[in-house]
Amino acid sequence: KQEVTQIPAALSVPEGENLVLNCSFTDSAIYNLQWFRQDPGKGLTSLLLIQSSQREQTSGRLNASLDKSSGRSTLYIAASQPGDSATYLCAVYYINFGNEKLTFGTGTRLTIIP
Amino acid sequence: GAVVSQHPSWVICKSGTSVKIECRSLDFQATTMFWYRQFPKQSLMLMATSNEGSKATYEQGVEKDKFLINHASLTLSTLTVTSAHPEDSSFYICSARGLAGGFQSYEQYFGPGTRLTVT
Repeated sequence: KQEVTQIPAALSVPEGENLVLNCSFTDSAIYNLQWFRQDPGKGLTSLLLIQSSQREQTSGRLNASLDKSSGRSTLYIAASQPGDSATYLCAVYYINFGNEKLTFGTGTRLTIIP
Repeated sequence: GAVVSQHPSWVICKSGTSVKIECRSLDFQATTMFWYRQFPKQSLMLMATSNEGSKATYEQGVEKDKFLINHASLTLSTLTVTSAHPEDSSFYICSARGLAGGFQSYEQYFGPGTRLTVT
């Protein structure tokens, strides 16, 4: 069974700092990994999707890396802003008994302090 | 592109009644739709997967007679919570994937969610 863990569960940093969020998964046989943000009481906003053949993706101040062999992904946020405050979720796409699955991590609640 | 909507965005109902939630893909054909549930301060948990025109596949522990899923068209799936009880109160999110540029896309596109409160 695929398990996805995110560390830390919560993180507070001053505005302007760079930060890294971590995601680990137990089964390396994935074909996509995706990072989302979720604001309180809201749905998901897709940030970055990394295909299994890729090692990283970048969008603006965000950079996500993927190391399938070690079962890890990181989301790097540069020059953090108060608007970055949200819960960040990583999710892995994999096949389980012929069925496509998307398993979500436990989330990291990020607070950027002005 | 790849927009998914849900209706309603929130609903309050009395215990024992049934509630229907709609999930629509607005600009693509959704061959597969997924329903997730999220309890407060927890992550999303997959409830069921539905392919257009077929019966839904439910995850272990999800009662198929309580959570009725219909995926009758390539743009609409519905989740009906039957005889709802307070423990069914949760945030329900659907996602869809389908055809993009003539190829099957594996990326799931998520709706904005529906908050259900059962009193």
